[in-house]
Amino acid sequence: AQSVTQPDIHITVSEGASLELRCNYSYGATPYLFWYVQSPGQGLQLLLKYFSGDTLVQGIKGFEAEFKRSQSSFNLRKPSVHWSDAAEYFCAVGGSSNTGKLIFGQGTTLQVKP
Amino acid sequence: ETGVTQTPRHLVMGMTNKKSLKCEQHLGHNAMYWYKQSAKKPLELMFVYNFKEQTENNSVPSRFSPECPNSSHLFLHLHTLQPEDSALYLCASSQRGQETQYFGPGTRLLVL
Repeated sequence: AQSVTQPDIHITVSEGASLELRCNYSYGATPYLFWYVQSPGQGLQLLLKYFSGDTLVQGIKGFEAEFKRSQSSFNLRKPSVHWSDAAEYFCAVGGSSNTGKLIFGQGTTLQVKP
Repeated sequence: ETGVTQTPRHLVMGMTNKKSLKCEQHLGHNAMYWYKQSAKKPLELMFVYNFKEQTENNSVPSRFSPECPNSSHLFLHLHTLQPEDSALYLCASSQRGQETQYFGPGTRLLVL
């Protein structure tokens, strides 16, 4: 079955500290992987995506993610968190076999301490 | 306007009302989606339209009725809703073959 797991429901980090949000997926074919961010009361904004090629992907707002096929993971990282990064983060998986559908994880809420 | 827009942004309705949510995409995409986002639950895909044709109905109750008159517009008609239908309804669009979905800001719906 196709699924996405974000093991951490809630994470708190200090401003300036590094961040890693975990994402594990289960997908039968070659996956397309995405990270989205959602601020309160807003829609989802695309941070970055992986389709193929270099397994380290750069995104907006200083985020990056690394695709590790052997671990079925696509973890999101940022070297230094800013207070404005406080939001909910969603990992999603899709693919050409999925007729355009995306499967989302449950999300990780990031809190940033001053 | 650019991107994906949704109106209204907030809606309060009684269980006997009929209302409609509107979504418009200005990206030239050919696929559109409705999602439901409830508190503490993952995003739930409701409907998928490709080239104006519905290709996915994720077991959504008939009190939700989608309409896609063209590739740029998507509606969700609501009637006799239940309080548990209160949620954030998100619209998204994509270009088939590119798989990246772009989301609107959502409509926050409260059913009394």
